[in-house]
Amino acid sequence: DVKVTQSSRYLVKRTGEKVFLECVQDMDHENMFWYRQDPGLGLRLIYFSYDVKMKEKGDIPEGYSVSREKKERFSLILESASTNQTSMYLCASSLGNSDNEQFFGPGTRLTVL
Amino acid sequence: GESVGLHLPTLSVQEGDNSIINCAYSNSASDYFIWYKQESGKGPQFIIDIRSNMDKRQGQRVTVLLNKTVKHLSLQIAATQPGDSAVYFCAENLSLDSSYKLIFGSGTRLLVRP
Repeated sequence: DVKVTQSSRYLVKRTGEKVFLECVQDMDHENMFWYRQDPGLGLRLIYFSYDVKMKEKGDIPEGYSVSREKKERFSLILESASTNQTSMYLCASSLGNSDNEQFFGPGTRLTVL
Repeated sequence: GESVGLHLPTLSVQEGDNSIINCAYSNSASDYFIWYKQESGKGPQFIIDIRSNMDKRQGQRVTVLLNKTVKHLSLQIAATQPGDSAVYFCAENLSLDSSYKLIFGSGTRLLVRP
């Protein structure tokens, strides 16, 4: 079974803080993704990575950065958290090589005060 | 999560009845489709997938139908159970352009009445 884990289920931060969200997958998947999920807006792609040290912007990258130093780990960074970044953050991974089924982590609910 | 269901279309069914959840996808060139289930407080979970060279695929209690002519996807759940209550998302992918991305629909909330 593929397992995607996220470092925190709930996180509360203050405006202006730097925030790190960590995601780890244990199935040697090539691709990893970060989404945010908000009521009425569905899942929106922030960034994704198809290889170590490679990253591509998704649909809403502003205010975020990512890091993929190791194949199994994909980090989402909020350089200076703002209240409009309060959301549910979901990490996913997929095998690649035309196998594009994505496996999701449990999510991190981030509140920025 | 617990707030993902706000503003979503909702389907309410009686326990034991069949459910049909519909999805209109956006790209006529998409060639791979997935249905996900998201329970409150959890990440989306894979239910079933289908490739564009098929128009029907069956799993355990679930069937996905694909109508490429009208870009429509449906998920049928037989003998719906209380544990089926969740938000359901369809997703599409265009694998031929080497895109790894899935495009998600906005979701439908399924409520199962006892």
